Amino acid sequence: DAEITQSPRHKITETGRQVTLACHQTWNHNNMFWYRQDLGHGLRLIHYSYGVQDTNKGEVSDGYSVSRSNTEDLPLTLESAASSQTSVYFCASSSGQGTDTQYFGPGTRLTVL
Amino acid sequence: QKEVEQNSGPLSVPEGAIASLNCTYSDRVSQSFFWYRQYSGKSPELIMSIYSNGDKEDGRFTAQLNKASQYVSLLIRDSQPSDSATYLCAVNRGTGGFKTIFGAGTRLFVKA
Repeated sequence: DAEITQSPRHKITETGRQVTLACHQTWNHNNMFWYRQDLGHGLRLIHYSYGVQDTNKGEVSDGYSVSRSNTEDLPLTLESAASSQTSVYFCASSSGQGTDTQYFGPGTRLTVL
Repeated sequence: QKEVEQNSGPLSVPEGAIASLNCTYSDRVSQSFFWYRQYSGKSPELIMSIYSNGDKEDGRFTAQLNKASQYVSLLIRDSQPSDSATYLCAVNRGTGGFKTIFGAGTRLFVKA
């Protein structure tokens, strides 16, 4: 069955360290998204991609970067982790054909100390 | 004004009652509307999508869309304790390169 996975599921890191969160989907979807979810804010879009070599900034992109070298993966990198980036991160994908329904990964809980 | 607004709740209903969840959006050109359910500690999952004015029914769930009033709602009939979750409203301008905007969600609690 097609799926979308994230790793690690939990991560504790220190301020200033570089952190990469992995996202892998086997839906063969063109569109991939990274969100963060914080209490009271719902899901906020960090970065998104509509295909290989395409990346775009979302509403809260400062301090984050992504790259899309293949269809299946969209890793999210925190260049220099800050305590304000403590959050739950969700990756999602969609086919982008007709309905734009998004399928979410299980999430990564990141704590920056 | 937030692009997609929901009452944060919690909305508490007794088992067997109808739960009514509401959402308003600001972008008049929005074309696609979604309701996602998110259990505590889990990821969002799609339960309903609606694209045209009126009602759309799927089992115990009914989505209602009124584009003139920029309003979308979700009704859950015969509410069960297993329906207790946060419900996220999401809105998209359409396909082909537009982002989906999520509301902050409404927490629903169904009392047994």
